Amino acid sequence: SAVISQKPSRDICQRGTSLTIQCQVDSQVTMMFWYRQQPGQSLTLIATANQGSEATYESGFVIDKFPISRPNLTFSTLTVSNMSPEDSSIYLCSVEREWGSGYTFGSGTRLTVV
Amino acid sequence: DAKTTQPPSMDCAEGRAANLPCNHSTISGNEYVYWYRQIHSQGPQYIIHGLKNNETNEMASLIITEDRKSSTLILPHATLRDTAVYYCIVRVAYSGNQFYFGTGTSLTVIP
Repeated sequence: SAVISQKPSRDICQRGTSLTIQCQVDSQVTMMFWYRQQPGQSLTLIATANQGSEATYESGFVIDKFPISRPNLTFSTLTVSNMSPEDSSIYLCSVEREWGSGYTFGSGTRLTVV
Repeated sequence: DAKTTQPPSMDCAEGRAANLPCNHSTISGNEYVYWYRQIHSQGPQYIIHGLKNNETNEMASLIITEDRKSSTLILPHATLRDTAVYYCIVRVAYSGNQFYFGTGTSLTVIP
């Protein structure tokens, strides 16, 4: 399965600031997915990032709050903008390198907003 | 939206088989059943998936009922390291479709 490097692994940020999370994959993939996991909760899909096109956002998530870049087939970034304490979560990226192989997840970014 | 229901928690004695059920009564003919687990503070880990036949790999076995409305993940000899949240997910059968996670089952393996 694919190897994903995600960073930072954790950060503590001031409210009103922004944080950009990076996700690097060891092979080319068509789609990359960004998830949020709030404390004690399951994973919620934020958006799907395709190379060369705008990301597709799930209901409840908007581009102004969570802008995503996908400059090539091995890299993506998620920015959490104008943060508030409610944005404190673990953010994870994932990929499926080939159909049926299952998703591989990064180790996540644990964000605390104070 | 998640299309599966799982018990919120289960216990299993170390060394015994852990049987984790999942209901997916609205599953479509082209949807696969996937199982993932998440050990505390780590990203989810793929376990196994199947369409209608039972599947086995080095981690677990997946038993899918004939009507495909439910399935069971079996960890044959549970260890303490198997303590995790286990997610059952159904997904349509074409590349790139998203995974939607339900609430999962928190499995605790007891010494």
